Amino acid sequence: KAGVTQTPRYLIKTRGQQVTLSCSPISGHRSVSWYQQTPGQGLQFLFEYFSETQRNKGNFPGRFSGRQFSNSRSEMNVSTLELGDSALYLCASSELAGGPYEQYFGPGTRLTVT
Amino acid sequence: GDSVTQMEGPVTLSEEAFLTINCTYTATGYPSLFWYVQYPGEGLQLLLKATKADDKGSNKGFEATYRKETTSFHLEKGSVQVSDSAVYFCALSEVQGAQKLVFGQGTRLTINP
Repeated sequence: KAGVTQTPRYLIKTRGQQVTLSCSPISGHRSVSWYQQTPGQGLQFLFEYFSETQRNKGNFPGRFSGRQFSNSRSEMNVSTLELGDSALYLCASSELAGGPYEQYFGPGTRLTVT
Repeated sequence: GDSVTQMEGPVTLSEEAFLTINCTYTATGYPSLFWYVQYPGEGLQLLLKATKADDKGSNKGFEATYRKETTSFHLEKGSVQVSDSAVYFCALSEVQGAQKLVFGQGTRLTINP
């Protein structure tokens, strides 16, 4: 089976812009979670989606949003980018929700905000 | 809230040395515990897990035992290799209701030949 794929792998944006990141889970996996990784804050949970519904949300401002499509692919959007949003954004998929089930991580999207 | 504390890094060892990376947690209830590894330029890979007290997770020569009495999940390997150089993350997950992982800050491990 193909692993979790994330596109794009690298992205450079300017402060104030918005960005959309994409995640394709492992075939058959219906739960997708997103994490932000920064040197200062480490790995932090953003949100989890299952069957097109957001099940859980981390402690991030409303500028961070996401959605999941009927084929389980997920996107996350960050509006009005700030310098502090520069990070590696990781997507993880698992077969089911309601955890804890084993999560499989993608390689991440490296976002740089200038 | 739930939290995970790992030993400060970086850790540098010689090949074939014994490895211990300490991990302690604070959680309500009985979480599942995980060790993930991140190689340069890659995402996280699950190394091992334990879902209840006294469980021992093991994989690729690495081991960790879920110690409820000391709220710990220390990672050990008897003889490390250069290829084990990576960042290691301890994490916990609530027992029910969420796929949310709470991670420690990570420990960078470098193995010298």
